[in-house]
Amino acid sequence: DVKVTQSSRYLVKRTGEKVFLECVQDMDHENMFWYRQDPGLGLRLIYFSYDVKMKEKGDIPEGYSVSREKKERFSLILESASTNQTSMYLCASSDTGQGAYEQYFGPGTRLTVT
Amino acid sequence: AQKVTQAQTEISVVEKEDVTLDCVYETRDTTYYLFWYKQPPSGELVFLIRRNSFDEQNEISGRYSWNFQKSTSSFNFTITASQVVDSAVYFCALLTGRRALTFGSGTRLQVQP
Repeated sequence: DVKVTQSSRYLVKRTGEKVFLECVQDMDHENMFWYRQDPGLGLRLIYFSYDVKMKEKGDIPEGYSVSREKKERFSLILESASTNQTSMYLCASSDTGQGAYEQYFGPGTRLTVT
Repeated sequence: AQKVTQAQTEISVVEKEDVTLDCVYETRDTTYYLFWYKQPPSGELVFLIRRNSFDEQNEISGRYSWNFQKSTSSFNFTITASQVVDSAVYFCALLTGRRALTFGSGTRLQVQP
């Protein structure tokens, strides 16, 4: 079974703090993704990575950065957290290859910025 | 640009009713994949089905069925004889060349006993 784990289920941070959200997958997947989920908006892509040290901006990258130093780990960084970054954050991974495009999701991290 | 529209924000049915969740997509790519995911109250997204743009065959899996029509750019999902355990948020999503999914806004399904 593919396993995608996220470091925390719930997190409360103060405005201006630097926040790290960690994601680890155990299936040697090439691609990893960070989404945020907000009511009525579905999931929106923040960043994704298709290889170690590679990253691409998604639809809403402002205020975020990412790091992928190892294939299995993809970190989302909020340099200076703001209240409008209060959201559910979902990490996903997928393989690359013929027909192998299913994304596997982690349980999510609900971040509250006060 | 890619876009997925799920016009139904919330649907409420009584157990054993059939229910159809609508999904309309937009893309200029000729090769793409369509997905449905289920998000139960626990929060984790569960993969239900993947369809590629060259395969318009409808699919049935138990009480679930999917109707893919390229002519109307739709990929609708029907649950037959709904059960309380089907209560969840359902997302339709589109994958094109950029490797990341474009999601619809989701449909919350409530199945009342």
